[in-house]
Parts: sequence; C-alpha cells; structure tokens
Amino acid sequence: DAKTTQPPSMDCAEGRAANLPCNHSTISGNEYVYWYRQIHSQGPQYIIHGLKNNETNEMASLIITEDRKSSTLILPHATLRDTAVYYCIVRVEWEWGGTSYGKLTFGQGTILTVHP
Amino acid sequence: GAVVSQHPSWVICKSGTSVKIECRSLDFQATTMFWYRQFPKQSLMLMATSNEGSKATYEQGVEKDKFLINHASLTLSTLTVTSAHPEDSSFYICSASRQGRHTEAFFGQGTRLTVV
Repeated sequence: DAKTTQPPSMDCAEGRAANLPCNHSTISGNEYVYWYRQIHSQGPQYIIHGLKNNETNEMASLIITEDRKSSTLILPHATLRDTAVYYCIVRVEWEWGGTSYGKLTFGQGTILTVHP
Repeated sequence: GAVVSQHPSWVICKSGTSVKIECRSLDFQATTMFWYRQFPKQSLMLMATSNEGSKATYEQGVEKDKFLINHASLTLSTLTVTSAHPEDSSFYICSASRQGRHTEAFFGQGTRLTVV
C-alpha cells in the first residue's frame, strides 16, 4: 500500500475550520484515500473516503488534488470534541463476489488539538 | 454507521493464562475482519486478517500459534492470546466491513489487556 505523510500535530481554534493535509505521492490508480480518527482509548472512527473526486458528508469534506498525490481533510467548524489523532490511509482494494476487500495500514497520523 | 462490538472492554489476567476477545458485527455480515494491536502512544499495527470459514492470514512477525484467530460465522471473530505474558499487554482492536463495493471499515471499541 502507498505510504502517507502527515504532520505530527496541528492546532485549531474552536469554531474555525481545521484543514489536515496528507501526502500520498506514490498512490496508484486503484487505491482509495480513507480518513479515520481516534479519540484516546477508543477504536478508530470512520470519517470519509474518496478516489479522485472531492467528497463531503455530515462530518467533513475531502479534497483530493487532480494528480491524487495529496489530499486535505476539512472539518468545517471544529469543536473541542474533534480533538483526536487523524489518520490518512490509502488502501488498495480488490473485488470478489461483488464485495471490495482491502486492509488498512495505519501511519502515525496527525494529533489535532482544538482549543477554546 | 454500522456497529462492531468487542468483548470484553478490558481484562486483567495472570501471566501464563489465555484470554479470548470477541468481535461481533451487530447489524451486518462480515466475510473479513481485521485484528490490530496498539501500544501506548503508538499507531495501530495490523496483526491478521480473519476470513470466515478459513484460516487467518497473519502479518509478518505475528506468531500465529500465540494469537489464535477463529472466524466461525459471518458476525463473529475471536482472538485468543495464548500463554499471555506482560509484554502482550496492549490495546486490541478489531474491524469489519459490510459486504459491497468500496465500503468503509468499522472498528470495535477495543479491548485493553493487562497481563500481570
């Protein structure tokens, strides 16, 4: 799986947008970009994923550059509860029987601290 | 989102004993589940891929005889840490994906194992 590079830590003021960058310059055509976050002593929580188009859901937006070598996760209005470790993962997927399979390999992630 | 449940949430056991951790997908069927281990202040490390009805696939360096994985049904995978030692103390997390294309993985809440 392609390697990702994220800044080790970031700060954000409550109510402001948090923009978390991720570099994945060796990503290949069939690899998806996934974002998860982990709050202390809990299992990771899915945020969003995409292939090449920008994606948005109720939690966040994902902006993927045209060459797919980097992406940005945007939390539009960060709250204190968004303080967590954010992981950017690229995942190669294969299909069998109409279902996609692929393991997630976690890097070190970005520690996002939202302060009042 | 889908629910993946682990049991127990925490366990303390004596050195030399075995501990079983259960991972259940509560509202969907999971052909494949994944087991991770996480040490303090570190990222998640994939241990093995659990396949329903077949043998698990272990990552390099993970002892298959020590970490026994059984995936007897589409909703249940178990991880048994055999002859546990203090160095096996860690946070163990499972994940599962719905059947379908490009679906996200959902994680359990994790199991904190302490071997004394």
